[in-house]
Amino acid sequence: ETGVTQTPRHLVMGMTNKKSLKCEQHLGHNAMYWYKQSAKKPLELMFVYSLEERVENNSVPSRFSPECPNSSHLFLHLHTLQPEDSALYLCASSQVGFAGYGYTFGSGTRLTVV
Amino acid sequence: KQEVTQIPAALSVPEGENLVLNCSFTDSAIYNLQWFRQDPGKGLTSLLLIQSSQREQTSGRLNASLDKSSGRSTLYIAASQPGDSATYLCAATETSGSRLTFGEGTQLTVNP
Repeated sequence: ETGVTQTPRHLVMGMTNKKSLKCEQHLGHNAMYWYKQSAKKPLELMFVYSLEERVENNSVPSRFSPECPNSSHLFLHLHTLQPEDSALYLCASSQVGFAGYGYTFGSGTRLTVV
Repeated sequence: KQEVTQIPAALSVPEGENLVLNCSFTDSAIYNLQWFRQDPGKGLTSLLLIQSSQREQTSGRLNASLDKSSGRSTLYIAASQPGDSATYLCAATETSGSRLTFGEGTQLTVNP
């Protein structure tokens, strides 16, 4: 496998469910990110992990909980979500400190909260 | 706080036309600038990256330029094809390299 892999591709969950999104990067990058993309809105940065340490949390509701067990894996744990949380969730990785390397994105998880 | 704006929001052209997509950013202290393509319901595919010290990058029919002093970048697509239809996103990386700020994108339709 190469690049950034996200699973599952599609997820439908009820408001009382608990689920997790998974992201894995095979690029040897040292930073990983979660972005949210809602209809008709720019991509919103949710969380940043650099060298496995969370360095940014953009006022994201506590019903979203990230986990980065190592530099290659990133999870987004979801619980008691709201319908407005339905969106495309994108994972990305980059090599911080190297201006010649950009971000690589996964294919995303399309989340629908019912 | 960095803000990125893309004009136009949507563009429809006949096949074969050369076209220019525009991107502007408010803080010129950027690390690099990246152009992405997004097909409906899919993730982002990186097209071109321009480091802050560079003026342009080329890949095939694509050419991206960067003018930090004026806070602008352009993506030039030569001889457009229906397969180029997608949303094109511009994103600026802050100087630490860990935050990427996106524009709202330009939705391009190339008609056969």
